[in-house]
Amino acid sequence: GAVVSQHPSWVICKSGTSVKIECRSLDFQATTMFWYRQFPKQSLMLMATSNEGSKATYEQGVEKDKFLINHASLTLSTLTVTSAHPEDSSFYICSARNQGGETQYFGPGTRLLVL
Amino acid sequence: QKEVEQDPGPLSVPEGAIVSLNCTYSNSAFQYFMWYRQYSRKGPELLMYTYSSGNKEDGRFTAQVDKSSKYISLFIRDSQPSDSATYLCAMSGGGFKTIFGAGTRLFVKA
Repeated sequence: GAVVSQHPSWVICKSGTSVKIECRSLDFQATTMFWYRQFPKQSLMLMATSNEGSKATYEQGVEKDKFLINHASLTLSTLTVTSAHPEDSSFYICSARNQGGETQYFGPGTRLLVL
Repeated sequence: QKEVEQDPGPLSVPEGAIVSLNCTYSNSAFQYFMWYRQYSRKGPELLMYTYSSGNKEDGRFTAQVDKSSKYISLFIRDSQPSDSATYLCAMSGGGFKTIFGAGTRLFVKA
């Protein structure tokens, strides 16, 4: 099956610092990648959709200057949480989809704790 | 009306039971239907993928789609403690974004 990796799996940082999370599709070309946020015992909340080589499309209420997304290649997308604050602490999950596909394959997630 | 409705549970069953998980949806344009399993502190894992109406079986798992009723189901036979997880339904197609259900928490007791 399609494999998506995420790095790091968890990160603890001080308030005000920036954190970069990488999402890679290991065995397929991901023309579209998605970034989700998930709070404990809650469902996935889509943050943004990125297509390779294009600017990301952000969901309503998600600050694009706060959550920078780059999808520079068909196998890599990055999410940078800029000037992180404690309220940004959450579980961030990426998913990837190939061209023409309807199924998303998820990464293992990154747990962010901002102190 | 929400685009997809899924009972959050929790659903607790004894080992060996048949589990039935369901979702209803409102957009008749959806054509692709997925079930994901998510263990605690992990990303969702694709379990089943179905196109249009009908049944699909994979081992102990059976997915059913009834587009006329806008109702999808996932059945788990001979449930095991390792099946304890949150199960999310998802659907897409017709040019619409993929929509996820809230997830049903399942506990299978040994």
